[in-house]
Amino acid sequence: NFILTQPHSVSESPGKTVTISCTRSSGSIGSNYVQWYQQRPGSSPTTVIYEDYQRPSGVPARFSGSIDISSNSASLTISGLKTEDEAHYYCQSFDNSNWVFGGGTELTVL
Amino acid sequence: QVQLVESGGGLVEPGGYLKLSCTASGFIFNDYYMSWIRQAPGKGLEWVSYISTSSGTIYYADSVRGRFSISRDNAKNSVYLQMNSLTADDAAVYYCARNYGSSFIVDSWGQGTLVTVSS
Repeated sequence: NFILTQPHSVSESPGKTVTISCTRSSGSIGSNYVQWYQQRPGSSPTTVIYEDYQRPSGVPARFSGSIDISSNSASLTISGLKTEDEAHYYCQSFDNSNWVFGGGTELTVL
Repeated sequence: QVQLVESGGGLVEPGGYLKLSCTASGFIFNDYYMSWIRQAPGKGLEWVSYISTSSGTIYYADSVRGRFSISRDNAKNSVYLQMNSLTADDAAVYYCARNYGSSFIVDSWGQGTLVTVSS
């Protein structure tokens, strides 16, 4: 099994752009899709990116996903930050029949 | 719209058992794979189990294999999680989740049901 490592926390000002990384410990990041889930305080998670860069309907275009084979990592980028983006963000991927979640990143918008 | 409503959580003693239910609405239930994902208090997300549309494919996380059992009743639009031999490490909010097709990707989440394991 592999591990997905995320920064514990990031912070940025409203209107700015922030990028959250998710690094896979073994195996290629490109071998299985990466998803990103947003969890606001006191709420259930919601899906903001699936299949590396796809956005579900209703998720604003300010949210984008990408993968970088050279660094074996995925990234979630949020542009034009709003206070409502303040949440925990989890990356997720899988290998054979095993799902793996990253530890989560707390985004503070201040 | 898609709705997933969990029930069955509560307080149970270590070594005890509990059965969680999730009732779905707003979509054709037997077209979708379903999963259970949990979150311990103040911790991150942990996948628990996954079941295919016909129940022919079932997977479990190593941490629950042999103790938990997932099942579904397509006639009742419901998925279940039977949890046995519970320990303090199983205490968490348990989320029912709809999978994107047959993939290991969640496209809808329930509101969660809390399981507390304590004597």
